[in-house]
Amino acid sequence: DTAVSQTPKYLVTQMGNDKSIKCEQNLGHDTMYWYKQDSKKFLKIMFSYNNKELIINETVPNRFSPKSPDKAHLNLHINSLELGDSAVYFCASSLSAGQQYFGPGTRLTVT
Amino acid sequence: AQKITQTQPGMFVQEKEAVTLDCTYDTSDPSYGLFWYKQPSSGEMIFLIYQGSYDQQNATEGRYSLNFQKARKSANLVISASQLGDSAMYFCAIRGSGAGSYQLTFGKGTKLSVIP
Repeated sequence: DTAVSQTPKYLVTQMGNDKSIKCEQNLGHDTMYWYKQDSKKFLKIMFSYNNKELIINETVPNRFSPKSPDKAHLNLHINSLELGDSAVYFCASSLSAGQQYFGPGTRLTVT
Repeated sequence: AQKITQTQPGMFVQEKEAVTLDCTYDTSDPSYGLFWYKQPSSGEMIFLIYQGSYDQQNATEGRYSLNFQKARKSANLVISASQLGDSAMYFCAIRGSGAGSYQLTFGKGTKLSVIP
């Protein structure tokens, strides 16, 4: 009965690979987000989708491509991974611009 | 654009004492919301408390209260009767209006350590 779930929880991969992180929410929310938390714990918005439409795209390299197949899912695909992509990626969801509920995070390590 | 400043990288508090975590913000939006999240060492982000810019009263949730001073643009979190389980990172965040309502801007966080 997890509200916002992410898979995988941990992801270790080599530079240059392509990987995806999946996010699903069962709260009936219409807005979903991706945040990146760097090694200094700083959290920054990457993308937000409202009703499957991209609302926010915050100066993220175009190697990152979000995809929202439906309102309950927002996946993040990353091409040509770089060392600097190592971080914890959080998915979140909300009803319109209401309170955001966060997933457990995906720790990505690029070697 | 929104900005959050948390000036205390780390804080210590004795168990059962109260502690105040500072947060100042900057925004040009007429309407906004302020949030506090807790991130324990396990990594999840836990919502604690919310204050709307037009709320007349300061928000309270159990042992958490928000000392909102709009003129000073501050939204400090007060934790009463600290417990060992309160040891965590605490993040203040702001949500603006319009397109800015679809994102949270976070501060750099304060690491709280509760001493037995």
